[in-house]
Amino acid sequence: EAGVAQSPRYKIIEKRQSVAFWCNPISGHATLYWYQQILGQGPKLLIQFQNNGVVDDSQLPKDRFSAERLKGVDSTLKIQPAKLEDSAVYLCASSQRPQGSSPLHFGNGTRLTVT
Amino acid sequence: AQTVTQSQPEMSVQEAETVTLSCTYDTSESDYYLFWYKQPPSRQMILVIRQEAYKQQNATENRFSVNFQKAAKSFSLKISDSQLGDAAMYFCAYRVTGNQFYFGTGTSLTVIP
Repeated sequence: EAGVAQSPRYKIIEKRQSVAFWCNPISGHATLYWYQQILGQGPKLLIQFQNNGVVDDSQLPKDRFSAERLKGVDSTLKIQPAKLEDSAVYLCASSQRPQGSSPLHFGNGTRLTVT
Repeated sequence: AQTVTQSQPEMSVQEAETVTLSCTYDTSESDYYLFWYKQPPSRQMILVIRQEAYKQQNATENRFSVNFQKAAKSFSLKISDSQLGDAAMYFCAYRVTGNQFYFGTGTSLTVIP
């Protein structure tokens, strides 16, 4: 099966600019997650979707971050305006079910550098 | 609050030897799930092994096994016959069903030829 697809792989922007990341989950996976991974840390959940509805966005900085999953398949994460502290790897993951031992399947991530 | 602690930022092992990575977690739940993920330089997180808390038997996947101590809230990963391809960051993760995954800060594993 095809894995989780993410683009772009790398992005360099200046602070106060905007940026968008795209993710296409594994076919049939209803649950989609966006994680932020700062260098030297584990992934931190930004937002979780179940189909096209938001399940958890409690750690999403809503003043600058937004995400959508309009048709319950692919998703975009946007940052506007970016800050230096947003430099991180942004990982998209999907899972078949939000329960139990159903694991996360990750994409290759986007490395964002804000200068 | 759910926390996952990996107390070893870095570990090294000789090729073909065995290494154990430590993980402890804090929870008041009785039903939960534990995972180990591997993240090579390519950045893609790959599932290594998972354990259901209600199962007493430790999970095993080929050269990878866990030592799950529920009372001690400990979930260590043992890698046997280490190979050069095992070099990566390893993350321990915890999940209560229906809720988010919580990840530790990771252990960087170096395999020495």
